[in-house]
Amino acid sequence: EVQLVESGGRLVQPGGSLRVSCSASEFTFGTYWDQWVRQVPGKGLEWVSLIKDDGTETHYADSVKGRFTISRDSAKNTLYLQMNNLRAEDTAVYYCTRGDGWVSNYWGQGTLVTVSS
Amino acid sequence: EIVLTQSPGTLCLSPGERATLSCRASQSVGNNYLAWYQQKPGQAPRLLIDDASRRATGIPDRFSGSGSGTDFTLTINRLEPEDFAVYYCQQCATPPLTFGGGTKVEIK
Repeated sequence: EVQLVESGGRLVQPGGSLRVSCSASEFTFGTYWDQWVRQVPGKGLEWVSLIKDDGTETHYADSVKGRFTISRDSAKNTLYLQMNNLRAEDTAVYYCTRGDGWVSNYWGQGTLVTVSS
Repeated sequence: EIVLTQSPGTLCLSPGERATLSCRASQSVGNNYLAWYQQKPGQAPRLLIDDASRRATGIPDRFSGSGSGTDFTLTINRLEPEDFAVYYCQQCATPPLTFGGGTKVEIK
């Protein structure tokens, strides 16, 4: 079973940028999709973005479109989320997930991003 | 965007009872690509059900999903102590993929 480990979360000022990463423990064969889902502590889940294994297809939530970019490095088996122009409302735990469709079969433990001055 | 409304917000039950959780979509979910997740405090969510009714690997058969179109249900038969948690539905058919607001199942 693949293990996902996020990293890179930290305190950043409003308007700033941050890249969070997600490393997978093993390579997945066949078509798969990676996603980012976030959760404000104590609140519900919010879907952020997804990317196909070969990087040819991506989708974003309206709340992050134009500010966030999802990407992956297949050789490193690592997923990224580049976040620009960060706002206070982007403060959340960011989870990466993987699935053979758009369902999230596997989840990491999350990395906390805090946007505050 | 497909909006998912979960009800009730909180369900107070005793171990051994049956829990019935509802997830209603603002428009039909294509191919019934509706998933259910369980989340316990301090943990990441865990997939329980996908395609509205297919249990994920390792999920006990007391968990079952049903429904189609815009109305979906998660049923937990004979609640075990470890089942008290928050449950989310998610439509995985049409981007942006969306989650419901969650139902908390708590001990009565």
